[in-house]
Amino acid sequence: GESVGLHLPTLSVQEGDNSIINCAYSNSASDYFIWYKQESGKGPQFIIDIRSNMDKRQGQRVTVLLNKTVKHLSLQIAATQPGDSAVYFCAEISMDSSYKLIFGSGTRLLVRP
Amino acid sequence: DAGVTQSPTHLIKTRGQQVTLRCSPKSGHDTVSWYQQALGQGPQFIFQYYEEEERQRGNFPDRFSGHQFPNYSSELNVNALLLGDSALYLCASSSDREGQPQHFGDGTRLSIL
Repeated sequence: GESVGLHLPTLSVQEGDNSIINCAYSNSASDYFIWYKQESGKGPQFIIDIRSNMDKRQGQRVTVLLNKTVKHLSLQIAATQPGDSAVYFCAEISMDSSYKLIFGSGTRLLVRP
Repeated sequence: DAGVTQSPTHLIKTRGQQVTLRCSPKSGHDTVSWYQQALGQGPQFIFQYYEEEERQRGNFPDRFSGHQFPNYSSELNVNALLLGDSALYLCASSSDREGQPQHFGDGTRLSIL
């Protein structure tokens, strides 16, 4: 669907460990994907994006993997820090036919000290 | 370099009233999109403005309208407010160049009594 339910799945990790957040996207025609981080009381913050002609892209401490065959996206965060605690959303867009971002189910990441 | 700015940050209205929310895009961006985010859910696309025209609209009633000014800033207007309009209203700006991500402001928290 286009929106996450009221009960967000939660991922709890130890500080310093790696985190993997998964997302299933809905539209096989989507060709551009973005991960956003949303902290309490703030708007979504851009983390990293990937086009459909790629299957992996790396940023600073983050890696996004795209599997178009099963319509799956993942965000890997290396050496997770307390400041990484937030809700993470994947979003998809079909560049040829749409201008709107469709947000997937959010995941709450909790980092234990 | 200022990011996306929205005003006001919080607003309380009563049913039946009208509200106007404002957004200034990030420097260099010419496209503005508006989203509604209910508590515990992902943002839902309302509409997008480019070249002072609404070029795509999500599944929202005509009570929701907007405007984009020559300086690319934008307003979201909601008429005949309902209790269900209580939400965080997010503005996102982007460059119309292909593959450019949308960047969000911190939103306006609208509460309807």
